Amino acid sequence: QVQLQESGPGLAKPSGTLSLTCAVSGGSISSNSNWWGWVRQPPEKGLEWVGEIQHSGSTNYNPSLMSRVSMSVDKSKNQFSLRLTSVTAADTAVYYCARGVGWGSRTYYLLWGKGTPVTVSS
Amino acid sequence: QSVLTQPPSVSGAPGQRVTISCTGSSFNIGADYDVHWYQQLPGAAPRILIYGNNNRPSGVPDRFSASKSGTSASLAITGLQAGDEAEYYCQSYDSRLSGSRVFGGGTKVTVL
Repeated sequence: QVQLQESGPGLAKPSGTLSLTCAVSGGSISSNSNWWGWVRQPPEKGLEWVGEIQHSGSTNYNPSLMSRVSMSVDKSKNQFSLRLTSVTAADTAVYYCARGVGWGSRTYYLLWGKGTPVTVSS
Repeated sequence: QSVLTQPPSVSGAPGQRVTISCTGSSFNIGADYDVHWYQQLPGAAPRILIYGNNNRPSGVPDRFSASKSGTSASLAITGLQAGDEAEYYCQSYDSRLSGSRVFGGGTKVTVL
């Protein structure tokens, strides 16, 4: 079955860039009707939707992060990536990648990675 | 401040029924967008519990059910078990600002 695995540096410097990758195994990232998303969870807090991307490159981003976030898909490696610029301590969180299924507004996240912690500190 | 409002905590004795509310607005739940529910056990990633307002994925016990009315939705857990102790989140779609997925703030369920 499809599995997701996040990877990337666990530490980012203030004002720097956070970059994470999610490897998709057991299935193709080019599958139609799938959104590939990122959700984060600050320490002791709730879930926050970061954004999502389709294999075509179409993206949806959280409006509060839109000026700093970008996502991309690498079909050859069957993976997708998150890039968040100008990070601050408020971006410290566990970052989850997830597979969204369904169309448009009906999409929900059926499958989740285990999450990777990222700390923003000098 | 989450777009979807959930109570911070609910509790119940084993075997009891508990409900978790998720209150939104005319831009999300009230606009008839689907509500989904996730369960996050301690130290684990979230997992889908209910999708499309009231549908259970395979493997989710029928002790979990959900409903939606107006600008609110609710999740019910019957026959509460110790293993149900977790954080629960609702999620929907919000039509403001180009549209986005939104989560509730989460509700901690404690089994007494």
